[in-house]
Amino acid sequence: DIQMTQSPSSLSASVGDRVTITCRARQGISNYLAWFQQKPGKAPKSLIYGASNLQSGVPSKFSGSGSGTDFTLTISSLQPEDFATYYCQQYNNYPLTFGGGTKVEIK
Amino acid sequence: EVQLVESGGGLVQPGGSLRLSCAASGFTFSDHYMDWARQAPGQGLEWVGRIRNKPNGYTTEYAASVKHRFTISRDDSKNSLYLQMNSLKTEDTAVYYCVRGFRYSSGWSTDYWGQGTLVTVSS
Repeated sequence: DIQMTQSPSSLSASVGDRVTITCRARQGISNYLAWFQQKPGKAPKSLIYGASNLQSGVPSKFSGSGSGTDFTLTISSLQPEDFATYYCQQYNNYPLTFGGGTKVEIK
Repeated sequence: EVQLVESGGGLVQPGGSLRLSCAASGFTFSDHYMDWARQAPGQGLEWVGRIRNKPNGYTTEYAASVKHRFTISRDDSKNSLYLQMNSLKTEDTAVYYCVRGFRYSSGWSTDYWGQGTLVTVSS
């Protein structure tokens, strides 16, 4: 199985901050990497596929980059609705695997 | 509007069985791969398995933790996805999500998630 490691596991940030979350794969996964946002008590929402492609309707303040083993999700200007937990997922190999999540909290 | 509505969750004893359903609407269900994912209380997300579409033989993939105990099936005529869960263990307690696969130029990712159904395995 391909282990996905996210860092940090949690962070505190202020409205307007630029936030970067990192996801590292134990082995190369090309660009088969997705990002999801989950708010408490809600289902996850897809943000990015193919490492850098925004899902339809996702605001451009979200961006993704990376290839191979190292990936990042960036939120350019954090807004109140962005406080949530973010997960990466690799889909290069079965079983598909998620990172442990990064909880973004209000400072 | 894409909708995925899970049902069938509940309380079951260890060793028991349960069948989850997912009713899909707002898209051509038969075109898509479909996944199940789960989330134990207070924990992260775990992929459970996938069923491909008819052109890809309705073949399936599973996480090691559920292989040989869980079976994913679909009925394209009913726009429905199923998860048959046998030999349930306490560690299978989770919210189970139905997830739509979507095809893009390089392969299959996922996009829409249902609201989830809670399965509790306890004596």
